[in-house]
Amino acid sequence: DTGVSQDPRHKITKRGQNVTFRCDPISEHNRLYWYRQTLGQGPEFLTYFQNEAQLEKSRLLSDRFSAERPKGSFSTLEIQRTEQGDSAMYLCASSSSTAPDTQYFGPGTRLTVL
Amino acid sequence: DQQVKQNSPSLSVQEGRISILNCDYTNSMFDYFLWYKKYPAEGPTFLISISSIKDKNEDGRFTVFLNKSAKHLSLHIVPSQPGDSAVYFCALGGSQGNLIFGKGTKLSVKP
Repeated sequence: DTGVSQDPRHKITKRGQNVTFRCDPISEHNRLYWYRQTLGQGPEFLTYFQNEAQLEKSRLLSDRFSAERPKGSFSTLEIQRTEQGDSAMYLCASSSSTAPDTQYFGPGTRLTVL
Repeated sequence: DQQVKQNSPSLSVQEGRISILNCDYTNSMFDYFLWYKKYPAEGPTFLISISSIKDKNEDGRFTVFLNKSAKHLSLHIVPSQPGDSAVYFCALGGSQGNLIFGKGTKLSVKP
């Protein structure tokens, strides 16, 4: 396994459009996390899954955002009616429940909303 | 309200010398503390971690120190190498599962 992968790496969209990102975690990891990073800031937590269950959501995750992990493997993050303020790097990470402190990150999806 | 502070946005060090990166936090509820390194256009890469019951953890050139009474975390890199030039983030984790990151310190190691 080569690590966490994310697709696409870059996405440019117009304001008001919907976008969906995909994350494939390290195969033996049952925890999956989504973070958002803007310029000059560290990653900010959005939500996380243990297997297919979404266990925690940040207040940053407005009702325009939805995340799923239907089979406990890959996950998708959808943003509806995008706004310019949604422009950021969206990072996915995974870890095992036996070592939750070590989260391994993917390369991220850079979203630009015009 | 910033729970994790990296007060130095940048640090410049000569190759071969020690790099010391610092991090302060306000909440004592965290169980573990981590350092990540990030190159441009890549995701953060895990470097080293320490649990709240320890005060030092070492891995090769990287050592993390935890001072719980001062709520202070530091990363020592010795000797520093040009390839260490990157942005370093400290992160704090607890039983909830998510990590809380600082804003990062950009380290430049000059040959």
